Amino acid sequence: RKEVEQDPGPFNVPEGATVAFNCTYSNSASQSFFWYRQDCRKEPKLLMSVYSSGNEDGRFTAQLNRASQYISLLIRDSKLSDSATYLCVVNMKTHGNQFYFGTGTSLTVIP
Amino acid sequence: GAGVSQSPSNKVTEKGKDVELRCDPISGHTALYWYRQSLGQGLEFLIYFQGNSAPDKSGLPSDRFSAERTGGSVSTLTIQRTQQEDSAVYLCASSLEGAREPQHFGDGTRLSIL
Repeated sequence: RKEVEQDPGPFNVPEGATVAFNCTYSNSASQSFFWYRQDCRKEPKLLMSVYSSGNEDGRFTAQLNRASQYISLLIRDSKLSDSATYLCVVNMKTHGNQFYFGTGTSLTVIP
Repeated sequence: GAGVSQSPSNKVTEKGKDVELRCDPISGHTALYWYRQSLGQGLEFLIYFQGNSAPDKSGLPSDRFSAERTGGSVSTLTIQRTQQEDSAVYLCASSLEGAREPQHFGDGTRLSIL
């Protein structure tokens, strides 16, 4: 079983739609959680950290469910510029400070 | 402030040659990571440094791959006797110490083996 699993998609949604991605992780001792965004042929960029109480940044909301070991990302009022691959990342101190990446969920926002 | 810097941006070389990739992390970041990403694929972990030591080398795909970090700063990833399957984007990331500290990535080195 992979440490981090995501639905690869693709998700194709119209502009203005709300879309949600889920990610599950295998290690209950995982300590911190992040969502990254990766545009085609570019490096991953931090979108937001995910905190236990959930957090919001503009149109983006991240939630953490430790009991069920999943995190989610909700994007409201989708923009064309939101088209990208969204990577779920989990930090575990198994071998020092180790990060585990999901394979990413592809989102295309359609005009 | 400067972000993570990688060089070269692109490297094209013949099969069998050795290549050296460089990563200059964000100043003060003690943790440094190397990944590679083939076209359309996810990130593949290669190696992680804490300071100058490498607690986790488990991702290095073969003994042709090695990495070092000196002075707790710059790191080099060396691939000896390159093969065509080594073609990929090699990404470096750095972070502060601490479980809540995210990684910050460089632009990557696009390696093509002819």
